[in-house]
Amino acid sequence: QVQLQESGPGLVKPSQTLSLTCTVSGGSISSGSYYWSWIRQPAGKGLEWIGRIYTSGSTNYNPSLKSRVTISVDTSKNQFSLKLSSVTAADTAVYYCARVWMVRGAVGWFDPWGQGTLVTVSS
Amino acid sequence: EIVLTQSPGTLSLSPGERATLSCRASQSVSSSYLAWYQQKPGQAPRLLIYGASSRATGIPDRFSGSGSGTDFTLTISRLEPEDFAVYYCQQYGSFFGQGTRLEIK
Repeated sequence: QVQLQESGPGLVKPSQTLSLTCTVSGGSISSGSYYWSWIRQPAGKGLEWIGRIYTSGSTNYNPSLKSRVTISVDTSKNQFSLKLSSVTAADTAVYYCARVWMVRGAVGWFDPWGQGTLVTVSS
Repeated sequence: EIVLTQSPGTLSLSPGERATLSCRASQSVSSSYLAWYQQKPGQAPRLLIYGASSRATGIPDRFSGSGSGTDFTLTISRLEPEDFAVYYCQQYGSFFGQGTRLEIK
């Protein structure tokens, strides 16, 4: 079955760019009609959707983060990536990647999820 | 943007009891495009319910979802020790509710 694994630096300095990659295994990122998404969760808090990408490159972002977020896909590597610029301590969180199911042409639920990776923003 | 409000914030029950968790949307959620997730400490969320009422693969039948429009409910018919966790509802593809913590009384 499809599995997702996040990777990237666990520590980022304030004002710098956070970069994470999600590697998809057990299936091709291009097969089927799926979006691929990033979600984050600050310690002790709820889930915040960051954005999603289709393998065509089409993206949608959370309006609250849109000015700082870029999600891209590399189908040759079966990966998709997140870049979040100008980070502050408020961006410290566990970052998850997930597959997004489509239903009747609309984006649907998240399944499966990666295990998550903690990114701390600190000097 | 649809805002999802979950209640209660914390629910204290004992194993064997019935749990009822609510998710209310600020406007109608089209075609029951709502999902529920369970999250245990240190773990990623796990899909429980999609389409408001369809159980995901491998989810026990003590979990059920219902509702439409703006009011949705997740019911756990008889709590097992492993069910104590945080539960989130989600409008398809994007925003989540703030979560309900289900704790052992």
